[in-house]
Amino acid sequence: EAGVTQSPTHLIKTRGQQATLRCSPISGHTSVYWYQQALGLGLQFLLWYDEGEERNRGNFPPRFSGRQFPNYSSELNVNALELEDSALYLCASSRLGGMNTEAFFGQGTRLTVV
Amino acid sequence: QQQVKQSPQSLIVQKGGIPIINCAYENTAFDYFPWYQQFPGKGPALLIAIRPDVSEKKEGRFTISFNKSAKQFSLHIMDSQPGDSATYFCAASMGYQKVTFGTGTKLQVIP
Repeated sequence: EAGVTQSPTHLIKTRGQQATLRCSPISGHTSVYWYQQALGLGLQFLLWYDEGEERNRGNFPPRFSGRQFPNYSSELNVNALELEDSALYLCASSRLGGMNTEAFFGQGTRLTVV
Repeated sequence: QQQVKQSPQSLIVQKGGIPIINCAYENTAFDYFPWYQQFPGKGPALLIAIRPDVSEKKEGRFTISFNKSAKQFSLHIMDSQPGDSATYFCAASMGYQKVTFGTGTKLQVIP
């Protein structure tokens, strides 16, 4: 069974540009979570999507947005990039409602804003 | 109510020692408590998990202790090795709700 896959692995953007990060969940998982992990820091919750809808949002400005597609894959968009947006962006997926609600993570996208 | 508080933030132990990482929660509706291990530059990986009807669970050198009345759970690493050096996250979840993570503990095991 394929795990959570994220693309690209690395992304370098200039301040003010837009970045698009992609995530494919494990087959059968309907929930996708996005987290930001700045260097040396913990997991900061960004967004949670389930069944195509945004279920919850972390304390981030509106320039962080995303969506979930009918096949449950997801996209995170970051507009008007700032230097402090440089971080590892992690996607995780899980089932909802069953006995197994653990989340499985992808390897992340390392975003560098210069 | 949705928070999971994790301590310590960092931990240094010698090889063979038993590091202990603690987590506490408020929401008694949580029914699943996983621990994740993350190596630098990698995504977190599920390590071990426990449900509140069990007080202890062991998998290899890793043990979760769960105290339902105190709403606390902890991870113990027996005979720790330098290869265990990583960041550890506790988490909590319940049906139909998102997974909530602790803030992480950076563990360093020195030879």
